[in-house]
Amino acid sequence: EDQVTQSPEALRLQEGESSSLNCSYTVSGLRGLFWYRQDPGKGPEFLFTLYSAGEEKEKERLKATLTKKESFLHITAPKPEDSATYLCAVQDSGSARQLTFGSGTQLTVLP
Amino acid sequence: KAGVTQTPRYLIKTRGQQVTLSCSPISGHRSVSWYQQTPGQGLQFLFEYFSETQRNKGNFPGRFSGRQFSNSRSEMNVSTLELGDSALYLCASSLDGQYNEQFFGPGTRLTVL
Repeated sequence: EDQVTQSPEALRLQEGESSSLNCSYTVSGLRGLFWYRQDPGKGPEFLFTLYSAGEEKEKERLKATLTKKESFLHITAPKPEDSATYLCAVQDSGSARQLTFGSGTQLTVLP
Repeated sequence: KAGVTQTPRYLIKTRGQQVTLSCSPISGHRSVSWYQQTPGQGLQFLFEYFSETQRNKGNFPGRFSGRQFSNSRSEMNVSTLELGDSALYLCASSLDGQYNEQFFGPGTRLTVL
C-alpha cells in the first residue's frame, strides 16, 4: 500500500526565513510525485511534478527536489502570501491513475 | 482556458437524503477523478472516469457512485447520507490521467445534519 508522510505538520516562518518541507513516500514503483498548494476553502493548486530521482523544478521562491525515498520543497525568502497548506502526492505505476496524498504541511509566513 | 468548475459550491443535507454533485473538466481533458477531503482523513481517492467508463475506484462504500457523460462532464452521487459524509468533495481533471498532472476544481462543501 502506498504511503506518504509529510513533515512538519505545521511551520511558522518569519518573512525572508528560508526553510524546507519534507515528503517521504513508499510506493512499489513511482510514476510521479506531485506538489500542490491549498488555500483555505479552495481546491489544491498544482505546483510541480517530479518523475525520477535527482530531478529538480523551480517556480519563483519554490524549488522541489526528489530522491528515491523523499522529496523536499524548499522555500527561499518566503513572503506572507506563501502561507498555505502544501500537499505532496504520489502516483504509483501499479495503481492506475489515482493520487495518494500526504496530510500536508501548514505553512504560515509572518510579516 | 477555463479551469475545472464544480457545482454547487455549498450544500446542506440531512441524514438519509441523497445528493448529486457536478464537475466540468478543463476543455480537452478526458479524465475526471473525485476525492473526498476531511480534516481527519485528508484527501482520499473516490473514483476516476475516462471516456464514460470508471477506470479506478477507491475504498468507499457503494453509496458513493459516479458517472461521466460524452462531453467529459462528471457527476457523483451519494445516497443515504451519513453525518460522516460531511466533507469537501473535489474533482480533478487531466488530459488522460496517465502521466498527466491533475488540476483541481474549487470543491463542493457538503454538510450533513
